Amino acid sequence: DVKVTQSSRYLVKRTGEKVFLECVQDMDHENMFWYRQDPGLGLRLIYFSYDVKMKEKGDIPEGYSVSREKKERFSLILESASTNQTSMYLCASRIRDSSYEQYFGPGTRLTVT
Amino acid sequence: QQPVQSPQAVILREGEDAVINCSSSKALYSVHWYRQKHGEAPVFLMILLKGGEQKGHEKISASFNEKKQQSSLYLTASQLSYSGTYFCGTEVGGTSYGKLTFGQGTILTVHP
Repeated sequence: DVKVTQSSRYLVKRTGEKVFLECVQDMDHENMFWYRQDPGLGLRLIYFSYDVKMKEKGDIPEGYSVSREKKERFSLILESASTNQTSMYLCASRIRDSSYEQYFGPGTRLTVT
Repeated sequence: QQPVQSPQAVILREGEDAVINCSSSKALYSVHWYRQKHGEAPVFLMILLKGGEQKGHEKISASFNEKKQQSSLYLTASQLSYSGTYFCGTEVGGTSYGKLTFGQGTILTVHP
């Protein structure tokens, strides 16, 4: 079974803090994705990576950065957290073929106060 | 631009049927469908590719009208386990790292 894990299910941070969200997959997938999920807006792509050290901006990259130093790990970084970044963050991975499914992690509920 | 899903919500009794639609303003390479139960990760249901190929669960059926950039997910003889939020994800262009743009979701509730 493919497994995508995220470092925390719930996280509470203060405005201005630097926040790291970690995602690890165990299936040697080339592609990894970070989404945020907000009520009524669905899943919106923040960043994705198609290989180690390679990254592409998604639809809402502002305020975020990413790091992929190893194939199995994809990190989302909030350089200076703001209250409008309070959201559910989902990581996903997939093999290097867009005709295959993405596997999602359980999500991290981030609250910025 | 996100694809538009309709309806936004639907309530069924067990055994009833439902159709969820996904419409895009762009020419599509593929449409992906996922279901998310409350508090859980989205789970893959089906992929429909340009040209007619489909991949997915046997009990789920869907259609993809390439000319209209529309897809529909058909849920027949609904069960309680069908409850959840359904998302369509659309892909423009078939690159090896094609990104998906997801719709806003359709909340399906099935009652006994």
